[in-house]
Amino acid sequence: EPEVTQTPSHQVTQMGQEVILRCVPISNHLYFYWYRQILGQKVEFLVSFYNNEISEKSEIFDDQFSVERPDGSNFTLKIRSTKLEDSAMYFCASGAGPFYGYTFGSGTRLTVV
Amino acid sequence: ILNVEQSPQSLHVQEGDSTNFTCSFPSSNFYALHWYRWETAKSPEALFVMTLNGDEKKKGRISATLNTKEGYSYLYIKGSQPEDSATYLCALNAGNNRKLIWGLGTSLAVNP
Repeated sequence: EPEVTQTPSHQVTQMGQEVILRCVPISNHLYFYWYRQILGQKVEFLVSFYNNEISEKSEIFDDQFSVERPDGSNFTLKIRSTKLEDSAMYFCASGAGPFYGYTFGSGTRLTVV
Repeated sequence: ILNVEQSPQSLHVQEGDSTNFTCSFPSSNFYALHWYRWETAKSPEALFVMTLNGDEKKKGRISATLNTKEGYSYLYIKGSQPEDSATYLCALNAGNNRKLIWGLGTSLAVNP
């Protein structure tokens, strides 16, 4: 069964450092998403990406965040200057369309110290 | 601000019991409703995507119903098994922008 792959599974970084979280979506999916979950809180939407551009972003997704699909397969989330409150599980998901369920990756646990 | 509510927050049942939980959403903002199953240390797994009022979908022992006019969806598990233990999340797609608005989930524990 096709999978969404995320790397790394766990990243520890110092406050103020840049991190890049990587995702390989399912190859024939057209819609890509990043979500995060801070421990004990709701799953939060960050950004959706369609047709090689951002289709929607949340208030969380400020200038510190960016997404790219550099080579047509990978889908990356960059946090330029990490803050302690960025510590969370970050999930990438891809979907075939709005009436289909998303397929999630196994997540990257980001710890900012 | 659109809010999705799930109840109960947690549930403990015995193996073999049937159970159900509720997802409530604003009926005025509806495009699709998703149900996901999230086991500890794994990623969310899509169960159902429901779009039409009166929809009923089934996957093995799990089924779901949808009422878009009153803004709720029920998830049923028949004859619960320990492997059904997980958090069940519903999420509302409230428009053509395809963003999902998530509930907090119902945590189900099935005791053998």
